[in-house]
Amino acid sequence: GQQLNQSPQSMFIQEGEDVSMNCTSSSIFNTWLWYKQEPGEGPVLLIALYKAGELTSNGRLTAQFGITRKDSFLNISASIPSDVGIYFCAGRDNYGQNFVFGPGTRLSVLP
Amino acid sequence: KAGVTQTPRYLIKTRGQQVTLSCSPISGHRSVSWYQQTPGQGLQFLFEYFSETQRNKGNFPGRFSGRQFSNSRSEMNVSTLELGDSALYLCASSLVSQDSSYEQYFGPGTRLTVT
Repeated sequence: GQQLNQSPQSMFIQEGEDVSMNCTSSSIFNTWLWYKQEPGEGPVLLIALYKAGELTSNGRLTAQFGITRKDSFLNISASIPSDVGIYFCAGRDNYGQNFVFGPGTRLSVLP
Repeated sequence: KAGVTQTPRYLIKTRGQQVTLSCSPISGHRSVSWYQQTPGQGLQFLFEYFSETQRNKGNFPGRFSGRQFSNSRSEMNVSTLELGDSALYLCASSLVSQDSSYEQYFGPGTRLTVT
């Protein structure tokens, strides 16, 4: 079945630094979603991508739908302590009926 | 607009018991999907309901079932609970069915502990 890989698994950065993480798929996807989850809460939708090459921003967050349609990237600029959490990607291909989620990237921001 | 709500937020049950979890989607959303989240397995899709019909089902045993009411609210039931069923159960709503690729919005989850 479909599998998503996310890298890195975890990262520790200094406040103010930029962050990059990515998600790769074994198959071609037509939709990518990026979520952030904080402890004890459900995932919160950050950005949705629908077209190869699409670049979408949400405040300090920018995500891109890879041109191969097998990957997606999330960047966070000028990180702040409240960016701490687990970032999940989710994707769907043309044949699947439901979204598949990656294992997540755990982000820690050091003051 | 109110978000997705789930009740209860926390639940402790004993092995062998059964449990029912509830989810109210965002107003106007007709699709409700259920997920199980554990540290080891991550987010695993359980099933999706759309217009009171199960549209899609993940790879879980028959002890896991659900239903959706005419007002789009959904319930999930787990019978004969096992220790391994301890998890955060998340529900997500979307405007239309998942196979139309619309965004899903998650509720806060129900933390189920089986002892």
